Amino acid sequence: DSGVTQTPKHLITATGQRVTLRCSPRSGDLSVYWYQQSLDQGLQFLIQYYNGEERAKGNILERFSAQQFPDLHSELNLSSLELGDSALYFCASSVTVGGNTEAFFGQGTRLTVV
Amino acid sequence: AQSVAQPEDQVNVAEGNPLTVKCTYSVSGNPYLFWYVQYPNRGLQFLLKYITGDNLVKGSYGFEAEFNKSQTSFHLKKPSALVSDSALYFCAVRDFNQAGTALIFGKGTTLSVSS
Repeated sequence: DSGVTQTPKHLITATGQRVTLRCSPRSGDLSVYWYQQSLDQGLQFLIQYYNGEERAKGNILERFSAQQFPDLHSELNLSSLELGDSALYFCASSVTVGGNTEAFFGQGTRLTVV
Repeated sequence: AQSVAQPEDQVNVAEGNPLTVKCTYSVSGNPYLFWYVQYPNRGLQFLLKYITGDNLVKGSYGFEAEFNKSQTSFHLKKPSALVSDSALYFCAVRDFNQAGTALIFGKGTTLSVSS
């Protein structure tokens, strides 16, 4: 168990809908990352937050947004969902924003858009 | 642009034999390199990292990796494979092209260990 908790584990929704994925980082970790894993794109970095502030953006669509709250949990909001958004979404956390620290991953949320 | 490549989609090895999962990288400057493993329906688990120092890095579950600067490689190795090592393995490099510290992952290599 990595200590990173993601909810829900599975989510099935229709096209055009909006969903929210939740992540609780390991105790003491200030940095949260969101990744998308799909068969065709592999593991893609979406966005990083550090202590409540956005730190970096990757290949995140404008329909997607995220935030990190004062208690350090994070939410990823996906709107106007399309079939192609079906994927496994991972949250990861690390203790600092330093480049030499490893990130610990949650078990992911499997999103299926029908 | 920074990237990592895992040239093999799948590696097959018999239990008890040594295994190698290959990774090459392309970065400007000194790389921070990582290996992760993903078991079915699970998240990624950290195995080991190279930041600086000794080129041979030891990690979890008996895995090690050798950093080779001249060949820009960071191959994952284990002297004696177990059936339970069967999983999807990812090599990753820290992305220093932006303010954050996200990882750029390779496409992954499926390791299959037969008994």
